[in-house]
Amino acid sequence: DTEVTQTPKHLVMGMTNKKSLKCEQHMGHRAMYWYKQKAKKPPELMFVYSYEKLSINESVPSRFSPECPNSSLLNLHLHALQPEDSALYLCASTPGQDNYGYTFGSGTRLTVV
Amino acid sequence: QKEVEQNSGPLSVPEGAIASLNCTYSDRVSQSFFWYRQYSGKSPELIMSIYSNGDKEDGRFTAQLNKASQYVSLLIRDSQPSDSATYLCAVGLSGGYQKVTFGTGTKLQVIP
Repeated sequence: DTEVTQTPKHLVMGMTNKKSLKCEQHMGHRAMYWYKQKAKKPPELMFVYSYEKLSINESVPSRFSPECPNSSLLNLHLHALQPEDSALYLCASTPGQDNYGYTFGSGTRLTVV
Repeated sequence: QKEVEQNSGPLSVPEGAIASLNCTYSDRVSQSFFWYRQYSGKSPELIMSIYSNGDKEDGRFTAQLNKASQYVSLLIRDSQPSDSATYLCAVGLSGGYQKVTFGTGTKLQVIP
């Protein structure tokens, strides 16, 4: 299995809703990432988990809350989002050792209304 | 501020030609260099990684790295219409996990 699976693929939520994005990989990777990508812009790093511990939080607003329940699973909990948070949310993983590029999931297209 | 710069394009090449994409970076201690391909509306896909000076070839793709000049490039030989995409250069440090800075991407159009 060489995939990173993200669900849902599309999500429309209101500004008062609570929702979660899910990311799963079974490659034995020990580093997992959340990126946000706006149209025609490069991906922006949000969070990094290394060996299930939060290693990087790039000053992301608290309305985004990451969670890493185990080495295969990464969640992003969303609450009270703003329309400007509408974007493609990408999950990625790397083995956690040595030099490897990211394996990205297919992303969740989020629209906040 | 760490910067990775790419020409946004579009870079138009005829089918069968060589496409040359370039990237410069500002952080001299960078160790890892990647090229990702991103089709419109899709997620990025890793196509090349390079860590030491010189050339690295994989099929129709060749990555070139010159750390002294802080320059990395991607050559695509025999370009095909299916190569039309945005190519993102990513530069960073590794050690347990990867933390990269992405360039803004170069849009490549291969004209049949």
